[in-house]
Amino acid sequence: NAGVMQNPRHLVRRRGQEARLRCSPMKGHSHVYWYRQLPEEGLKFMVYLQKENIIDESGMPKERFSAEFPKEGPSILRIQQVVRGDSAAYFCASQPGGDTEAFFGQGTRLTVV
Amino acid sequence: GIQVEQSPPDLILQEGANSTLRCNFSDSVNNLQWFHQNPWGQLINLFYIPSGTKQNGRLSATTVATERYSLLYISSSQTTDSGVYFCAGETGRRALTFGSGTRLQVQP
Repeated sequence: NAGVMQNPRHLVRRRGQEARLRCSPMKGHSHVYWYRQLPEEGLKFMVYLQKENIIDESGMPKERFSAEFPKEGPSILRIQQVVRGDSAAYFCASQPGGDTEAFFGQGTRLTVV
Repeated sequence: GIQVEQSPPDLILQEGANSTLRCNFSDSVNNLQWFHQNPWGQLINLFYIPSGTKQNGRLSATTVATERYSLLYISSSQTTDSGVYFCAGETGRRALTFGSGTRLQVQP
């Protein structure tokens, strides 16, 4: 049973470009969460999705950031027109349901140059 | 949202020593997890422990839900235990709120 898969592991983008981060949850998990970790800090919640639905996006910046979890395929976190402050590690977690154990992917480390 | 406080923020141990890490929550949480972030940045699940006590090898954890805290015990520490330890609680919005972590360095 493969774990949560994220790709790419490392991503370098120039200011103004778009970044697309992918997350495939564990088999049987329908709840996906995205978190961001700035250097030397804990993880901060961004968005919670179930298949084809955004359940809670209260932690996601209103502009430039979007997320989706289509019926088929991985969840995507999209950052448009990246700025240096977007440089961080982005983690995806999946759970089979609410109030259950969360499992994390290895993260995508985004560097904006 | 809830506040999660971890202590101590930093800890240096000699190999073989024992330690206790603490996590306090400002409000009730539906569940609670402990993670180890290794020097390569990977988040490793240690315990899923909404209440009670669990043990896994040299590690054990206790959560007292009614008093809103959890403890992680590391015995006979090894250099491979180095990294950052996070606790996180799940709130009503069903997302984890993380503490700032305890940075552990185990010296040979």
